[in-house]
Amino acid sequence: QVQLKETGPGLVQPTQTLSITCTVSGFSLTSYYMQWVRQTPGKGLEWMGFIRSGGSTEYNSEFKSRLSISRDTSKNQVFLKMNSLKTEDTGVYYCARGAIMDAWGQGASVTVSS
Amino acid sequence: DVVMTQTPVSLSLAIGQPASISCKSSQSLVHSDGKTYLSWILQRPGQSPKRLIYLVSKLDSGVPDRFSGSGSETEFTLKISRVEAEDLGVYYCWQATHFPLTFGSGTKLEIK
Repeated sequence: QVQLKETGPGLVQPTQTLSITCTVSGFSLTSYYMQWVRQTPGKGLEWMGFIRSGGSTEYNSEFKSRLSISRDTSKNQVFLKMNSLKTEDTGVYYCARGAIMDAWGQGASVTVSS
Repeated sequence: DVVMTQTPVSLSLAIGQPASISCKSSQSLVHSDGKTYLSWILQRPGQSPKRLIYLVSKLDSGVPDRFSGSGSETEFTLKISRVEAEDLGVYYCWQATHFPLTFGSGTKLEIK
């Protein structure tokens, strides 16, 4: 059974760094792209980037300067790190499987506030 | 960036009525490999998105056949032949042909 679960800090202060982990089961990270998508009140659904099955990454230029996606295949985990957070980054962050996102996690709610 | 424009913004339909949602892209979604990477997802209230249709018209496993997708190039349509109560939520189209991947702004389906 394919499962994806995001875990994150919940609350982050402005200018700080956001770290979210996506833990997967039921498939191998070496066989699938893994994507990050966020949903914010201001912009709706936004694609952030992905890590390919081979480990290379692609980012939305909107976030490129402050976003990093990595993984630990031995732990079945994918990581999102984004620095210089602003209040507009408040939203729900999803990981999704595959180049055309056939399965999504439940999402990690993030509030950026002091 | 490719802009995905969905209409209508909202729909209010009774059980059993048909539904139709339009999605138009600002550029052709035909990839150089010949495929069209247009998908539809449904986000039910309080839930994460769930993919319904990919490559314009292919239904995901477990998706009822009352759902169908069609279109080409820049114009696409999601149809529900007879709306059921479980179909309420927000429907989004999105494209994976061009970087960055982009989403429509959504169509909210309410049940009368």
